[in-house]
Order: sequence, then C-alpha cells, then structure tokens
Amino acid sequence: DAKTTQPPSMDCAEGRAANLPCNHSTISGNEYVYWYRQIHSQGPQYIIHGLKNNETNEMASLIITEDRKSSTLILPHATLRDTAVYYCIVLTGGGNKLTFGTGTQLKVEL
Amino acid sequence: DSGVTQTPKHLITATGQRVTLRCSPRSGDLSVYWYQQSLDQGLQFLIQYYNGEERAKGNILERFSAQQFPDLHSELNLSSLELGDSALYFCASSARGFSGANVLTFGAGSRLTVL
Repeated sequence: DAKTTQPPSMDCAEGRAANLPCNHSTISGNEYVYWYRQIHSQGPQYIIHGLKNNETNEMASLIITEDRKSSTLILPHATLRDTAVYYCIVLTGGGNKLTFGTGTQLKVEL
Repeated sequence: DSGVTQTPKHLITATGQRVTLRCSPRSGDLSVYWYQQSLDQGLQFLIQYYNGEERAKGNILERFSAQQFPDLHSELNLSSLELGDSALYFCASSARGFSGANVLTFGAGSRLTVL
C-alpha cells in the first residue's frame, strides 16, 4: 500500500476552515484514500474516504487531485472539539491492514 | 458510542501475568481487528478475524493470541506480560467487504498498565 506524507502539526482558528494536506505520490489505481482522527487517547474515528472523486459528508470534505497523488481534508468550520491527530491512509480496495502513520496534530484555537 | 464495546476499560497487573481483553463488534459486522497503541510506537495493527477465522496478521508477539467466537465477539490474550506491554489496546470492527472500501469502527480501548 502506498505511503503517505503529512505535516506533523497545524493550527487553525475556531470557525475557520481547516485544510489538512496529504501526499500519496505512489498511489495506485485501486487504492482508496481514508481519513481518520484520534482525539486524545480515544479510539480513532472514521471521517471520510474516496477513490477518485471528491467526497463530502456531514463531517468533512475530501478533495483528491486529478492525478490522485495528493488530497486535502477540509473541515469547513473547525471547532475546539476538532483538535485531534488526523491520519491520512491509503489502502487497496478490500484491504484490511489499515496502517496508521504519525498523522497531523491539528490544534484549533480561539 | 461507536457500537464497538471493549472491556475492561482499565487494567493494572504485574509482570509475568496473563490478561484477557474482550471486544464485541458493531451489530452486523463480521470482522474484528486489534490494534496496540503505546507512547513510542503509535497505532500498530496486531491481527484481524473475519467470521471466526484469522485473516491478517500484523506485529503481534508470540506471547499474544486472539480468537473470534461464533457470536462474533473477540478476545485478545496477553501472557507473560512485560513492562513494555503497557499500552492502549483498541478493537475495531467492519462489515469487511472483500472489495471496495473497508471502513473500520473503533472501540474506546482498554488501557493496560503492567507494573
């Protein structure tokens, strides 16, 4: 499965959009991009996933570049409760070894 | 509440002892996964079961074993415990399609402290 690269940390003002980037330049055609987050010592929480098209749900939007080599997770109106480590993971369709890297520590501040 | 139930929430034991962690998956999910999270290692995949059978193995030590029962709950057995086994242990479940996206739902974890 393709490796991902994420910035180690980011800050965001409450109420503003948080844009979290992820590079996955070696992604192959059948690999999905998943985003999870972990709020301090809680169980990881699924946010969103996509294959080729941009996706949106009640939590976030996922923008995948046309060449699929990078993606951006967008939290449209970040709140203090969105402070967490965000993990971008690439996994083959049907794959089962979800591998968490070091992620991005997002800090939302007043 | 994610629907994945893990017990116990906290466990303190001594080196050399054996413990069992239990996980009940979300209703309808056939796959169960175990992860270990220690301070210096991040989230590490240990093992996956699908409908009672082992399907994938990660960095699971020989001192650790797991199984999934006919009612789909799973247990992770940790024996000959060492100080370094102190960690959060997460269980996750999924419907486990064999193609397409595979979304995991995690439990709240069991915190193991080995003294």
